[in-house]
Amino acid sequence: SAVISQKPSRDICQRGTSLTIQCQVDSQVTMMFWYRQQPGQSLTLIATANQGSEATYESGFVIDKFPISRPNLTFSTLTVSNMSPEDSSIYLCSVGRRTPQLADTQYFGPGTRLTVL
Amino acid sequence: GENVEQHPSTLSVQEGDSAVIKCTYSDSASNYFPWYKQELGKGPQLIIDIRSNVGEKKDQRIAVTLNKTAKHFSLHITETQPEDSAVYFCAASGSGGGADGLTFGKGTHLIIQP
Repeated sequence: SAVISQKPSRDICQRGTSLTIQCQVDSQVTMMFWYRQQPGQSLTLIATANQGSEATYESGFVIDKFPISRPNLTFSTLTVSNMSPEDSSIYLCSVGRRTPQLADTQYFGPGTRLTVL
Repeated sequence: GENVEQHPSTLSVQEGDSAVIKCTYSDSASNYFPWYKQELGKGPQLIIDIRSNVGEKKDQRIAVTLNKTAKHFSLHITETQPEDSAVYFCAASGSGGGADGLTFGKGTHLIIQP
């Protein structure tokens, strides 16, 4: 498995502001993903963070709203921009090591609990 | 894209009894099916997974079965204990495209009655 940390663990923000969430892994990983979990709901994939190139976004999520960086194989950031109360959610990063031809196990961080007022 | 349905949404069982949670998926190209346990205030924890070339996998009190023809997979927990109380999510991935992000079911709130 991998040890994953996220910062901040929680935050309360004002609408119209932006928050950057950090994800740090204790070892190099091939894949890093960002998910959103709205209150009492399931997890929805936001994007795949690609090292050295632009992230790959899922339908309904755009780079202007959720810019992502991945400068190396152990670190990624997700920014929630121009926040509104609807962005109140838990944001989770996950990591995996892609093996040839097969999807690989994903491990999740503890999450960042965001409340937008 | 992939769609994962999960049932039931809430499951209450007596301590010591078995619990079964079922999921179906839509994309026949999916080949990886993990199960996660999420406790309040924590991130999802992987408890067991299965790949499409295997029909069943067991780890102590937990087992997962996969029926690729019917496109459904199930989680079985035997001899349930109070610490098994949590929300359980099934997921599917591997349908191609290279990203392998997971598509999750809506979750099952498992309650173990003492």
